[in-house]
Amino acid sequence: DAGVTQSPTHLIKTRGQQVTLRCSPKSGHDTVSWYQQALGQGPQFIFQYYEEEERQRGNFPDRFSGHQFPNYSSELNVNALLLGDSALYLCASSPATGGGTGELFFGEGSRLTVL
Amino acid sequence: SQKIEQNSEALNIQEGKTATLTCNYTNYSPAYLQWYRQDPGRGPVFLLLIRENEKEKRKERLKVTFDTTLKQSLFHITASQPADSATYLCSRGADSWGKLQFGAGTQVVVTP
Repeated sequence: DAGVTQSPTHLIKTRGQQVTLRCSPKSGHDTVSWYQQALGQGPQFIFQYYEEEERQRGNFPDRFSGHQFPNYSSELNVNALLLGDSALYLCASSPATGGGTGELFFGEGSRLTVL
Repeated sequence: SQKIEQNSEALNIQEGKTATLTCNYTNYSPAYLQWYRQDPGRGPVFLLLIRENEKEKRKERLKVTFDTTLKQSLFHITASQPADSATYLCSRGADSWGKLQFGAGTQVVVTP
């Protein structure tokens, strides 16, 4: 049973560029959440997708957008990249009801470096 | 604002001893707290969830307590091993499943 998979694992962009990160949730999960983790910090909630719609959003600007596909996979898009967007981007999946424990299953992340 | 705080200073501990980590929260009363383990360059891995009506939860060598009066959770690793070296994250549920607020994490280093 594959867990949460993310791609790419590492990427380097320059300021002003755009980036797309991809996530496939764990089998049987239909809810995908995205987190940003800066070095030395805890993950910060960006947004959550369920039934192909953004259900909740954290305190991130509109430059951050996402999408969920019918197969529950998801993309995170960041436009007009800033140096401060350099971080580990984590995707987490869960059943819609939290599976009784609210446990999130995280992928290994996509390390974005903005130069 | 609602905050969740962990000791940012790394915890260095000798193998076999008990490591105790602290998680404090302010300005709210979470229905539950979760603890995750994160290894360098990897995603967090769920360890334990404790609800507000539970005083203590155990899983193998791990123990978590939840004190709603002190607004604090303690995370214990008993008989620690070098393989326990990692960063441990405390988080609270915020509004719905999937939206978690994390602390900055505490790094634990277990030396033989």
